[in-house]
Amino acid sequence: DADVTQTPRNRITKTGKRIMLECSQTKGHDRMYWYRQDPGLGLRLIYYSFDVKDINKGEISDGYSVSRQAQAKFSLSLESAIPNQTALYFCATSDLSGGGYTFGSGTRLTVV
Amino acid sequence: GDSVTQMEGPVTLSEEAFLTINCTYTATGYPSLFWYVQYPGEGLQLLLKATKADDKGSNKGFEATYRKETTSFHLEKGSVQVSDSAVYFCALGSNYQLIWGAGTKLIIKP
Repeated sequence: DADVTQTPRNRITKTGKRIMLECSQTKGHDRMYWYRQDPGLGLRLIYYSFDVKDINKGEISDGYSVSRQAQAKFSLSLESAIPNQTALYFCATSDLSGGGYTFGSGTRLTVV
Repeated sequence: GDSVTQMEGPVTLSEEAFLTINCTYTATGYPSLFWYVQYPGEGLQLLLKATKADDKGSNKGFEATYRKETTSFHLEKGSVQVSDSAVYFCALGSNYQLIWGAGTKLIIKP
């Protein structure tokens, strides 16, 4: 099994729908992150969490929310999806040093 | 604020050519520096890192040296292979997150 598992791998949804992207990890890391990747823009941080009770907004949190259900689980929600949220979404974890990150394989989300 | 700038792609090379992908940064203090690689259809993987000035990170034939005087962390490989085709990201470690470059797509032709 992968260290960081994201579901679903691909999703097409309609404008205005609520959608949840899920992430689970077996690394035992406390820190978890949600990133968005758009062509030519690199990765942009949406939310991050240093432990179950610690949730923080990143660079582009508007339109998104998260839930840290357990140390191993960190989900990302789009309450009312819009087309410009079409992107590749990555979950990542890191240890306390904040150094090497482990990424999931990504969720490709299309909002039509 | 902290930032990372890397050369725009795509970079197209022939197999066995020498590779350099430039990366420069601006930061307060002395951050850790990273190179990540993203193969088609996959997530990012850590390729190499350096945590202090003059450190050299290396992995799979790739190298990068942390140059404080030029605020650079250029990625090099002496002889590239078709399997090296991917997108390469330079990143800078701050207190709680990585600051990412925009990525450089590398295409290696046989």
